[in-house]
Amino acid sequence: QQQVKQSPQSLIVQKGGISIINCAYENTAFDYFPWYQQFPGKGPALLIAIRPDVSEKKEGRFTISFNKSAKQFSLHIMDSQPGDSATYFCAASPLGNQGGKLIFGQGTELSVKP
Amino acid sequence: DVKVTQSSRYLVKRTGEKVFLECVQDMDHENMFWYRQDPGLGLRLIYFSYDVKMKEKGDIPEGYSVSREKKERFSLILESASTNQTSMYLCASSTPVGSRNYGYTFGSGTRLTVV
Repeated sequence: QQQVKQSPQSLIVQKGGISIINCAYENTAFDYFPWYQQFPGKGPALLIAIRPDVSEKKEGRFTISFNKSAKQFSLHIMDSQPGDSATYFCAASPLGNQGGKLIFGQGTELSVKP
Repeated sequence: DVKVTQSSRYLVKRTGEKVFLECVQDMDHENMFWYRQDPGLGLRLIYFSYDVKMKEKGDIPEGYSVSREKKERFSLILESASTNQTSMYLCASSTPVGSRNYGYTFGSGTRLTVV
């Protein structure tokens, strides 16, 4: 029940296309859903996050869509660029728990071809 | 610029050695975490701490221990290194849950190889 399942494991998209990464969770106590972006040789960095009181959050070319009833959320990258090539992790946690322990998905390696 | 600094980028240790991985943050964050990253498994939580001298087990604590004697420093200890502990280790810190700019800040990682 603590798992966050992420798909696909890898994704190849042409420049200008839309990249879509999906995550699903079981624990209904989760109420904070961030996405992290990791470039080679670097630690993950917070990209965008959503709380379940909204169904969508957009920041520039990055959008999180959230479906509470299906317990799923996804990251959409519009007009994908080669510079977006990185590994993306979804995560979830219950905000109420002490320490804010994030449970991460398995990661998606995105490659955007010029 | 806020930082989480991990003392080593690469380490090679022998089976059975006691290994110390050090992490220091300069953001005065209460919470600190140790994760390991393996291909296809994502990031798995080893231990975390929400205050000095406090520690909580994560999902995979076996074979590890931690120490937090000062707020800014969180150390991961491999009591007797084994080859299945070869991995990328990531340290992170965060503000209190629910704070305005809540989120993790990660270090660049330590790639540990146990031979």
